[in-house]
Amino acid sequence: QVQLEQSGAEVKKPGASVKLSCKASGYTFINYAMYWVRQAPGQRLEWMGWINAGNGNTKYSQKFQGRVTITMDTSASTAHMELGSLRSEDTAVYYCARAPLGSAMNYWGQGTLVTVST
Amino acid sequence: EIVLTQSPGTLSLSQGERATLSCRASQSVISSNLAWYQQKPGQAPRLLIYGASNRATGIPDRFSGSGSGTDFTLTISRLEPEDFAVYYCQQYDNSPQTFGQGTKVEIK
Repeated sequence: QVQLEQSGAEVKKPGASVKLSCKASGYTFINYAMYWVRQAPGQRLEWMGWINAGNGNTKYSQKFQGRVTITMDTSASTAHMELGSLRSEDTAVYYCARAPLGSAMNYWGQGTLVTVST
Repeated sequence: EIVLTQSPGTLSLSQGERATLSCRASQSVISSNLAWYQQKPGQAPRLLIYGASNRATGIPDRFSGSGSGTDFTLTISRLEPEDFAVYYCQQYDNSPQTFGQGTKVEIK
């Protein structure tokens, strides 16, 4: 069955960077897109960007442009999301989610809590 | 950016009742690329509906989606205990993809 296993919780100081991972199993990794979505406490879901695992093309929300990088390791069926210049407002649960190209996110990871605090 | 506005914010209903949730877009979602997700506390979202009206794999038929253009609806025909949760709409027609602010369906 399809599974997305995310890396563990992180605590970072303002200005630092964080790199999260999402290991996929149960399907052919390169046939789908991988999205990253975050949710701050009590807030709505927020789309950050995605990678086409077939060709490595990425697209990011302009809100995070310059701070976010999504990469992948096809040999390990793993996607990564790095967010830099962290600030307290980046405290959130970060999800990876798989989607067929051009469609909705039909499988989600369990989420990774990132806490940004002095 | 397409802004999605969901209403009502909270829906208080009893088990067995019908729930009707609304999602309005600030501009037309041209290809009906509109999805609905269910989220329970401490859990990741779960896809219910994609393409405005198509049920995702394993989703019971008491969940249905409708609408086009700027107005979309999620209907739960008869609420079961496990349906009390927060529901989000999402458009994936336009970048950046955006989500509504959510509707909480709570037990009356």
